[in-house]
Amino acid sequence: AQRVTQPEKLLSVFKGAPVELKCNYSYSGSPELFWYVQYSRQRLQLLLRHISRESIKGFTADLNKGETSFHLKKPFAQEEDSAMYYCALQAGNMLTFGGGTRLMVKP
Amino acid sequence: NAGVTQTPKFRILKIGQSMTLQCAQDMNHNYMYWYRQDPGMGLKLIYYSVGAGITDKGEVPNGYNVSRSTTEDFPLRLELAAPSQTSVYFCASVGDPSYNEQFFGPGTRLTVL
Repeated sequence: AQRVTQPEKLLSVFKGAPVELKCNYSYSGSPELFWYVQYSRQRLQLLLRHISRESIKGFTADLNKGETSFHLKKPFAQEEDSAMYYCALQAGNMLTFGGGTRLMVKP
Repeated sequence: NAGVTQTPKFRILKIGQSMTLQCAQDMNHNYMYWYRQDPGMGLKLIYYSVGAGITDKGEVPNGYNVSRSTTEDFPLRLELAAPSQTSVYFCASVGDPSYNEQFFGPGTRLTVL
């Protein structure tokens, strides 16, 4: 069975500092990975997909199959980045979520 | 488009009571999902459906039932509520399975006392 682990429940950084939210996964097949974000009083929404290899709101994430990781990075954090971030793995029709990391960006 | 809607927003049940959580989407999505999220935890899949008349179990289906009679609606039924079912329930839908973006509802917070 697949598993997604986000080792940090809380990450607190100052505005302008680099951010890295960690995500590790275990899955025997070829993974399809996502980052979802939930801002305060908003719905959970897709941030980015590893297949798209895109940068959204300055965030990027690279799939490292050797280390089975999909860490989310941003070089300069902004206060509006404060939110809950969830890493998720798609296997067939099922999406498995990690436990989430709360990012707090302090002014 | 309203997207994915869920009712009610909040509910308190007594042990042994039953209720149905409603989920509807107006995007003509075939794929729909029910998740539960316990405090400090990630979302866990309860049931999902790939189209009207088709449902399948997820990771934590015990104590729940679903039906999918129309493309728009995907209600979740709790029979004999237990305190372990206290959670926030999210419904989601997917339009394009090759893209796999899940669109989430606002959630229903359920407390069983």
